[in-house]
Amino acid sequence: GAVVSQHPSRVICKSGTSVKIECRSLDFQATTMFWYRQFPKQSLMLMATSNEGSKATYEQGVEKDKFLINHASLTLSTLTVTSAHPEDSSFYICSASRDRLNSGANVLTFGAGSRLTVL
Amino acid sequence: RKEVEQDPGPFNVPEGATVAFNCTYSNSASQSFFWYRQDCRKEPKLLMSVYSSGNEDGRFTAQLNRASQYISLLIRDSKLSDSATYLCVVNRRDSSYKLIFGSGTRLLVRP
Repeated sequence: GAVVSQHPSRVICKSGTSVKIECRSLDFQATTMFWYRQFPKQSLMLMATSNEGSKATYEQGVEKDKFLINHASLTLSTLTVTSAHPEDSSFYICSASRDRLNSGANVLTFGAGSRLTVL
Repeated sequence: RKEVEQDPGPFNVPEGATVAFNCTYSNSASQSFFWYRQDCRKEPKLLMSVYSSGNEDGRFTAQLNRASQYISLLIRDSKLSDSATYLCVVNRRDSSYKLIFGSGTRLLVRP
């Protein structure tokens, strides 16, 4: 089955540093990847949609200069949290779609998530 | 108002009980509906899709009422391993088929 690898699974950093999270589709080409953020006891909130070879589409309220997304290949998307602050501490999850025309849940695979703690 | 609303629970039930979760969505043009399960500190995993005619998968039954914009999940004969958070998820109707997650209903099944 489709596998999405997300790395690192956990990261602790100091305030002001930048953190990069990678999302890789291991056995399929992901034309579209989605980045979510989940705060404790809250739902997954879509941050941005990443399409290979083009700029990411950010959801309302998500700062594109703060959360840099790069989708340079069909198997890799990265999320960089720039100048991280304690309020950026959260669980970041990516998902990848195998189907260019249909990104419904039945063709989405989620990564295991990355837990970011900013001190 | 949230686009997808769920009772956060927790629902605390004994093994073998039947439990039902409800979910409402506000976007009448929503196309597809799903229930996901999320264990603590893990990624969500697709439990089942929800079809207009209702559908069943073993002990799990999902129902959709488009007129009322209401989705339900029924779990029969609860197992300890069913303890998790159940997320109601809607496919927003736009070109990118984005998933919108509810905040989840927590289920605790006790021995």
